[in-house]
Amino acid sequence: DARVTQTPRHKVTEMGQEVTMRCQPILGHNTVFWYRQTMMQGLELLAYFRNRAPLDDSGMPKDRFSAEMPDATLATLKIQPSEPRDSAVYFCASGLIPDVQPQHFGDGTRLSIL
Amino acid sequence: DAKTTQPPSMDCAEGRAANLPCNHSTISGNEYVYWYRQIHSQGPQYIIHGLKNNETNEMASLIITEDRKSSTLILPHATLRDTAVYYCIVRDNDYKLSFGAGTTVTVRA
Repeated sequence: DARVTQTPRHKVTEMGQEVTMRCQPILGHNTVFWYRQTMMQGLELLAYFRNRAPLDDSGMPKDRFSAEMPDATLATLKIQPSEPRDSAVYFCASGLIPDVQPQHFGDGTRLSIL
Repeated sequence: DAKTTQPPSMDCAEGRAANLPCNHSTISGNEYVYWYRQIHSQGPQYIIHGLKNNETNEMASLIITEDRKSSTLILPHATLRDTAVYYCIVRDNDYKLSFGAGTTVTVRA
């Protein structure tokens, strides 16, 4: 089965360091979504792209977060500088718009900022 | 904001059917209902979706009321591996998913 691949699966780093998370969407999907999951906030949408163009990034702190899609096979989410409150699991999902078929999720990057 | 209401938790006996309710009273005519589940430490896994008609696949059945204000996900023969958080989501016209707290389902032997 086709899968969304996220790397790294785990990341531990110190406050102030740059963090880059990568996502390879399912081949043929034109939309990539970034979510963040914490115990307090649950799963929340940060940003999403369609055909590599950002559609909505209103859920993302703009001062330190950036999301890009350099090509159709790679999406990145960067945090610079990182802070302890950024500790969370970050999920990428891909889908096909417009279509009723579902988004499919990767297994996430578990980020810990010390 | 999530447009759905689900019970916070439920238990189910292994081998029995699990019926998970969801209320979505403000659903619009062209909005679909999606169900996902999340097993500990994994990403959300798609289960099933529907608009008006009842749907069935290899994982579950989805029963949507005629007025579309509520639905029920049915796991026909629950196993221990079905223990997870189950999310009922109404997808908006921007194709975004808003996850609520879901229902924590515990399948007991």
